[in-house]
Amino acid sequence: GQNIDQPTEMTATEGAIVQINCTYQTSGFNGLFWYQQHAGEAPTFLSYNVLDGLEEKGRFSSFLSRSKGYSYLLLKELQMKDSASYLCAVLDNYGQNFVFGPGTRLSVLP
Amino acid sequence: NAGVTQTPKFRVLKTGQSMTLLCAQDMNHEYMYWYRQDPGMGLRLIHYSVGEGTTAKGEVPDGYNVSRLKKQNFLLGLESAAPSQTSVYFCASSYSRFGQDSTDTQYFGPGTRLTVL
Repeated sequence: GQNIDQPTEMTATEGAIVQINCTYQTSGFNGLFWYQQHAGEAPTFLSYNVLDGLEEKGRFSSFLSRSKGYSYLLLKELQMKDSASYLCAVLDNYGQNFVFGPGTRLSVLP
Repeated sequence: NAGVTQTPKFRVLKTGQSMTLLCAQDMNHEYMYWYRQDPGMGLRLIHYSVGEGTTAKGEVPDGYNVSRLKKQNFLLGLESAAPSQTSVYFCASSYSRFGQDSTDTQYFGPGTRLTVL
């Protein structure tokens, strides 16, 4: 089976930095994805990690440790438009199954 | 270039009724997916397709059927709707399997909000 955990909700201030954690236990591992989803909208892709380490894309960075079953999404210089749910997802079983975590709802306050 | 579109956007069904949700993509993607999203549970994969004429079961396939007769279309059917199928349904497509190529991703449609009474 598979289990993916994320904090349910987080709050941060505009201009600050926030780290959203994701832990997973899956059968095999073929990559970890982060998606952003604004309320009432479709998810949009943010990042993909398949090897250990940090991937940086502008204000967003994603880190992966396969040995610890752990990833985080780092958002810098927070903006009000970053208020959204952030979904962690794992591709496992040699690419046979794609499992999302429950998502973390981030609120950015002025 | 419309990307991924879904029809209808909203639907209310009575228990036992049937319906088909249509997903269409104009990106010539081989892979297509159907997910459902429920509060507190994230997205769950129902069925997916690795190419025209193929389908495969995902995490929660029971109560649903799918067909991929044309490469650009992926249909999700509910033969006898139940209240437990009340959800938001998302379709997605990608060039590579689950969008795992470094230059690829899954592109999601806008969703269909289904209520079963």
